[in-house]
Amino acid sequence: QSALTQPASVSGSPGQSITISCTGTSSDVGGYNYVSWYQQHPGKAPKLMIYEVSNRPSGVSNRFSGSKSGNTASLTISGLQAEDEADYYCSSYTSITSYVFGTGTKVTVL
Amino acid sequence: QVQLVESGGGAVQPGRSLRLSCAASGFTFSNYGMHWVRQAPGKGLEWVAAIWYDGSNKYYGDSVKGRFTISRDNPKNTLYVQMNSLRAEDTAVYYCARLSSWYGFDIWGQGTMVTVSS
Repeated sequence: QSALTQPASVSGSPGQSITISCTGTSSDVGGYNYVSWYQQHPGKAPKLMIYEVSNRPSGVSNRFSGSKSGNTASLTISGLQAEDEADYYCSSYTSITSYVFGTGTKVTVL
Repeated sequence: QVQLVESGGGAVQPGRSLRLSCAASGFTFSNYGMHWVRQAPGKGLEWVAAIWYDGSNKYYGDSVKGRFTISRDNPKNTLYVQMNSLRAEDTAVYYCARLSSWYGFDIWGQGTMVTVSS
């Protein structure tokens, strides 16, 4: 089971919107609506930001949104803020093993 | 409050064994599937293993299959992973995580570091 593919880095200025892609296969991202996204600050545990493709847990800012088309899921951060600078990982349920994570994307706020 | 606390990490020589524990509190542990996820230094997250809420089914990543065993003790609210035949590439921070009913990992422990080196 290979990791889902994410861009290594994405950057944007404060107030802008950025989108992070997460590409898998029909055995994971494309086959199930069980894609989730995690934010991880240095030295900290990951935090769930989006579940089931586009749903936000209580307490997560509505600046974070998710979507999916075919084998590719996306996380959009609108109104980029300095505190959004972190690593972001997608994850999907997979029929092959159980779950798989993406390669990770470093978001830089310019 | 809802919490997961890992323990048992440390330095170990290649080929040796280690058992990690994850103590759960603040929720009904026996209602949730639980997972182990690891992160090698400077690297991304890697899913390691999963166990159903009642322990009836277990799943493993390819890199640990046959060497790691996940288990749980519901009366003790504790998750375990027994790691045998450890390799240098198993060096990582190991997190336990709760799988929510919405198929996301909604609660994570703080992680425990495992270093495999001679």
